[in-house]
Amino acid sequence: AQSVTQLDSHVSVSEGTPVLLRCNYSSSYSPSLFWYVQHPNKGLQLLLKYTSAATLVKGINGFEAEFKKSETSFHLTKPSAHMSDAAEYFCVVSDGQGAQKLVFGQGTRLTINP
Amino acid sequence: DVKVTQSSRYLVKRTGEKVFLECVQDMDHENMFWYRQDPGLGLRLIYFSYDVKMKEKGDIPEGYSVSREKKERFSLILESASTNQTSMYLCASSSQGAMDYGYTFGSGTRLTVV
Repeated sequence: AQSVTQLDSHVSVSEGTPVLLRCNYSSSYSPSLFWYVQHPNKGLQLLLKYTSAATLVKGINGFEAEFKKSETSFHLTKPSAHMSDAAEYFCVVSDGQGAQKLVFGQGTRLTINP
Repeated sequence: DVKVTQSSRYLVKRTGEKVFLECVQDMDHENMFWYRQDPGLGLRLIYFSYDVKMKEKGDIPEGYSVSREKKERFSLILESASTNQTSMYLCASSSQGAMDYGYTFGSGTRLTVV
């Protein structure tokens, strides 16, 4: 079975400093991995996805993530945080089977301090 | 702009009522999903469907049923609402090539059972 663990339930950074949101996964197959973002009272938006191509994946709004098979990790980073990045972030793995269900992590709430 | 539309943004229902949550997508997607979102638990899969009249249980199907009579519409049914079903419900759809195109989520229905 697939699973993801987001190692921090809440991360707080100052505007202009780097962001690191940590995610470890477990998968019996070659996984597809995603990061989604949810702003307050908004739907989920896809930030980026890894589907067995390049291990460093670039997404929208300056975010990127690196797939590390040896560490079973898929951490999300951004060099410089903006106030608009304040949101909840979900690391997601797909089981790659059939209808390709998504399995979500518990979420990390990112707070940006002025 | 492609869309997944959930019929209600907010609902308040009484314990024991039969509740219908509706979801419509306009992308001709084969797969449709119902998740519930609770703080600290991320999103958990209730039911999904990979074709008209087909349905599969997700991780937490107890107390729920679904209906998919047309390709574009996927309904979630709470047979007898209970207070522990108070939650945010999110519908999503994807094509069979979801690993390339990702999922599209609706804005969610916040259900309160009193």
